[in-house]
Amino acid sequence: DSGVTQTPKHLITATGQRVTLRCSPRSGDLSVYWYQQSLDQGLQFLIQYYNGEERAKGNILERFSAQQFPDLHSELNLSSLELGDSALYFCASSVGTSGEQYFGPGTRLTVT
Amino acid sequence: DAKTTQPPSMDCAEGRAANLPCNHSTISGNEYVYWYRQIHSQGPQYIIHGLKNNETNEMASLIITEDRKSSTLILPHATLRDTAVYYCIVRSWDNYGQNFVFGPGTRLSVLP
Repeated sequence: DSGVTQTPKHLITATGQRVTLRCSPRSGDLSVYWYQQSLDQGLQFLIQYYNGEERAKGNILERFSAQQFPDLHSELNLSSLELGDSALYFCASSVGTSGEQYFGPGTRLTVT
Repeated sequence: DAKTTQPPSMDCAEGRAANLPCNHSTISGNEYVYWYRQIHSQGPQYIIHGLKNNETNEMASLIITEDRKSSTLILPHATLRDTAVYYCIVRSWDNYGQNFVFGPGTRLSVLP
C-alpha cells in the first residue's frame, strides 16, 4: 500500500459525458501527478500540481483539467468523453518535486 | 528529453540475479536515472534512482556507467513476485518543470 488513494476504482460512462476522478496523496506529500495508461499508448504523464499550483504539464488534452485543493487532494476532470479516453488513470504523489513518486491503485475508466 | 532504450522482455530463473539494462546515451549532466516497476495493472512502484554513483537499497542495486550513457538494475535474488514491467526513466526538465517519460519498459518474467 503506497498511501495514495484514488476513487472510484472503476467508472463506466457514455461518450460525451463528464467524470471526475479523485486522488488523496500520501500524508505530507505536496506534489500530485496524474498519468493515463491505455493499451496502445503506455503510461503518459498528464499534469503535476505542487502545493495547489500547476507545476508541469504533459500530454493533457484540452478536454481534461485538474486542480489541487487546499487540503492537497486533487481531482482530474474529463469532459466530452470519447471512446479513446478509456484507460487506467493513475495518481501519484511525492514530498516535493522529486522523481520518487508513489502511485495509487488507479481508476479504470471505460467509455461506451 | 533524454530517451531510454530497454529490451522488451527478459527471463530470469527464480533465486538468480536479474540484470536489467537501460541505454540513455543522450542523458544530460544533471539528469537522474529512475527505475520503477509495474506488476500487472497495479500502480507503478518506485525502485531506485541515481545520478552518477552506484546505488543500493533494500529492493535493488543500480549500476551507472562512468560515462552515464547506460545503467543496469540488479535484483539480487529474483522471486516470482518480481515478475513485472520495469521502466527506466530519465528525469528531464522543460519550460513547465518536471516531466516524466515512461517508455515501453522491459517485461521481466521470473521462472520457477
